[in-house]
Parts: sequence; structure tokens; C-alpha cells
Amino acid sequence: DIQMTQSPHSLSASLGETVSIECLASEGISNYLAWYQQKPGKSPQLLIYYASSLQDGVPSRFSGSGSGTQYSLKISNMQPEDEGVYYCQQGYKYPYTFGAGTKLELK
Amino acid sequence: EVQLQQSGAELVKPGASVKLSCKTSGYTFSNYYMSWLKQMPGQNIEWIGNIYGGNGGTGYNQKFKGKATLTVDKSSSTAYMDLSSLTSEDSAVYFCARMSGRPHYFDYWGQGVMVTVSS
Repeated sequence: DIQMTQSPHSLSASLGETVSIECLASEGISNYLAWYQQKPGKSPQLLIYYASSLQDGVPSRFSGSGSGTQYSLKISNMQPEDEGVYYCQQGYKYPYTFGAGTKLELK
Repeated sequence: EVQLQQSGAELVKPGASVKLSCKTSGYTFSNYYMSWLKQMPGQNIEWIGNIYGGNGGTGYNQKFKGKATLTVDKSSSTAYMDLSSLTSEDSAVYFCARMSGRPHYFDYWGQGVMVTVSS
């Protein structure tokens, strides 16, 4: 299975700050990488797909980048509603796998 | 508007089976794969498998073969997952999620259903 290693495990950010979350795949995944946000008691919501494509309706302060095995999610201008857990997911090979999540809190 | 509506919470005894449903609307069911995913409390998300709405073709995570069986009813645009021989390790929230074609991401999710296995 492809292992997805996310870092950091958790972070806190001030209002308006820019944060980045990293995701490292155990092998190349050809940009078949998606990012999700999950809030407590809710289902995950798609933010970014194909490494850098913004899902419809997602604020433009979210952006994704990367290639090969290394990917990142950047959140610019941190807002209170951005608190939650963020997951990366590879769709390159069965079984599709997720990172362990990064908990983002407002400082 | 795309909607995935899952059945309600389940409390089941060890060794029993349970069938979860995911009723869809707002898109052409037969044109997409539906995936099922598991999330234990405070834990990571695991992909169980997927099923094509058009012909019922399936793909499973090896870890869940023998545990989960996916089916669809095209006439009602509903996907189902049977979980068998339940143990405490199967206590989790289960999500259905519509899956795109390549690059295989999950763009719409059900609200999730809590399955509790307890005697």
C-alpha cells in the first residue's frame, strides 16, 4: 500500500496567518492527490484535487502544490472557519489511502 | 444538487451483520463510482472499496475483503454495504462518497453513520 505521511500532526495559527501542511507519499503518485477538511462530527469536504485544482465553492485562500512524492496545502489569511482536521489522499493505486490528518486550530 | 443520504445509526451484537444504505440524488447514478470509507473515533480514514453504479463492478481494499460487500440498486439510485461477522473493531463511522474518475477523489460525501458493535 502507498503510505501517506502528513506533517505536522497539529498546528495553531493566528487570524490572517499563512500555514502549510505537507504530505509525503511512499512512492510517486503522479499528482493523484486530494486534500480534505473535516470538522467535528461532520463528513470530510473536498478542497483540492489533482494536487492543485480548487474544488468549486472552496475559497481561493486554499491552494495546493507538489509533484512526485511531495505535496503541500497552503492556507492563506487564516480564518476562524478554517479550524478543523486536514487530510491528504492518494488516488493513484488501490487501496486509496489517506494521511493521518493535521489538526489546525486558531491561536 | 448532489445529495448522499445515509441510513441511521446502528447498534448490533458481535457476530451479527448489518446493511448500510446510501441513497443518492442530483446526478446520474450509473455514471459514477461510489466508495465506502471507515473512520474509527479519532482515527484516520480508511477506504473500504468502490462500486460502479452502471454495472455493479467492484474493487476492494484487501483488508476489507470478506468483511464488506458492496451492492447497488440502480432503480432507486442507492448503494449498499453489508458488513458481516461484526466485532468491536468494526465500531466506527462509515461514509459513502461519490468518487470521480481519474484522479480518483471523493467529491460528495454522505453524512456518515455510526455503527456500534456491543453485546
